Amino acid sequence: EVQLVESGGGLVQPGGSLRLSCAASGFTFSSSWMSWVRQAPGKGLEWVANIKPDGSGKYYVDFVKGRFTISRDNAKNSLYLQMNGLRAEDTAVYYCAIGQASYWGQGALVSVSS
Amino acid sequence: DVVMTQSPLSLPVSLGQPASISCRSSQSLVNSDGNTFLNWFQQRPGQSPRRLINKVSNRDSGVPDRFSASGSGTDFTLKISRVEAEDVGVYYCMQATHWPFTFGPGTKVDLK
Repeated sequence: EVQLVESGGGLVQPGGSLRLSCAASGFTFSSSWMSWVRQAPGKGLEWVANIKPDGSGKYYVDFVKGRFTISRDNAKNSLYLQMNGLRAEDTAVYYCAIGQASYWGQGALVSVSS
Repeated sequence: DVVMTQSPLSLPVSLGQPASISCRSSQSLVNSDGNTFLNWFQQRPGQSPRRLINKVSNRDSGVPDRFSASGSGTDFTLKISRVEAEDVGVYYCMQATHWPFTFGPGTKVDLK
């Protein structure tokens, strides 16, 4: 059974940093593109970033470029999202997903507020 | 960026009745290989999204066959042949042909 379990969410002040993790199991993680998708409270879905199976390619939407970094550790079957320079508008549930979102985790809530 | 639009944004339906959601993209979703990466997602209240359809019309594993989808180019449709109570939620189309991937605004399906 495919499982994606996010962790690391929480409350952070504007300008602060947070690192999300996603523990993957039940599929061949090292062969899979991985993604982060977010959803602001009561709003729709927004793609955030993708990473190639070997980590050699990383792709970001414009509104997180230079602030967020996607990475992975294939030995640990884990995906990460390092978020720096957080803004109030980054408040959202962040989902880890496989490829074109064939499977999703339960999400991690990130709240940015003073 | 490719803009995805959906209609209607709200769809009240009766149990057992059909439902149809339209999705349009601001540019063609056919890539250079001839593939069209248009996916549909369902998000039930309080749950994570779930992919129903990939590449326009392919049902994902475990998706009931009352869900079907079609389309080409810039116009796509998701149909539910007979709505059941568990189908209540928000449905999103998403294109993965052009970076950045983009979602439609969502269509809220609820019961009359």
